[in-house]
Amino acid sequence: DGGITQSPKYLFRKEGQNVTLSCEQNLNHDAMYWYRQDPGQGLRLIYYSQIVNDFQKGDIAEGYSVSREKKESFPLTVTSAQKNPTAFYLCASSAGGETDTQYFGPGTRLTVL
Amino acid sequence: GQNIDQPTEMTATEGAIVQINCTYQTSGFNGLFWYQQHAGEAPTFLSYNVLDGLEEKGRFSSFLSRSKGYSYLLLKELQMKDSASYLCAVRDHENTGKLIFGQGTTLQVKP
Repeated sequence: DGGITQSPKYLFRKEGQNVTLSCEQNLNHDAMYWYRQDPGQGLRLIYYSQIVNDFQKGDIAEGYSVSREKKESFPLTVTSAQKNPTAFYLCASSAGGETDTQYFGPGTRLTVL
Repeated sequence: GQNIDQPTEMTATEGAIVQINCTYQTSGFNGLFWYQQHAGEAPTFLSYNVLDGLEEKGRFSSFLSRSKGYSYLLLKELQMKDSASYLCAVRDHENTGKLIFGQGTTLQVKP
């Protein structure tokens, strides 16, 4: 069954701790994306990667880091430098082509206490 | 600057038709997407427009006017399960897949 998985669905961390969110896809998509969603706001792009071993900052990259060592995986680390990390984090992937539609994983809700 | 506007909330009656508008001002344009998102879940793809006109897909249709920077999503024969947020997103550059999202429109369908 092809799709995008994110784990865990809910994550709790203490302030000052780094935390890594997992995103895996078996759709053979080249591009992957990380978004953050806060109540009453649209999705905001954190980082994106169009190909293995390459990634670019999105609009709100400060306090986050990523890696893209494998095509299937695009983990996001929320560092202690992120001032307001509590949010719903969504990972997406796309195959390129004419429409280049992004498909989303189920999301991880991170709460920093 | 980049700006996408949608109404925050809408209410409609089961069986009726509802139109959700989206206006955009972006530095470039290479396609507009509509997604549906139920509370606490992932957005799911509904439609894509890159040329002017209407795209129909079952009960859902999407319209685009590039000259006016305007799109709408039309939902017919509303069902209770259509209660969700509807996200409008614009791709502003053809060389990246980056999307700019509006804040979303929360639609409540009442019996």
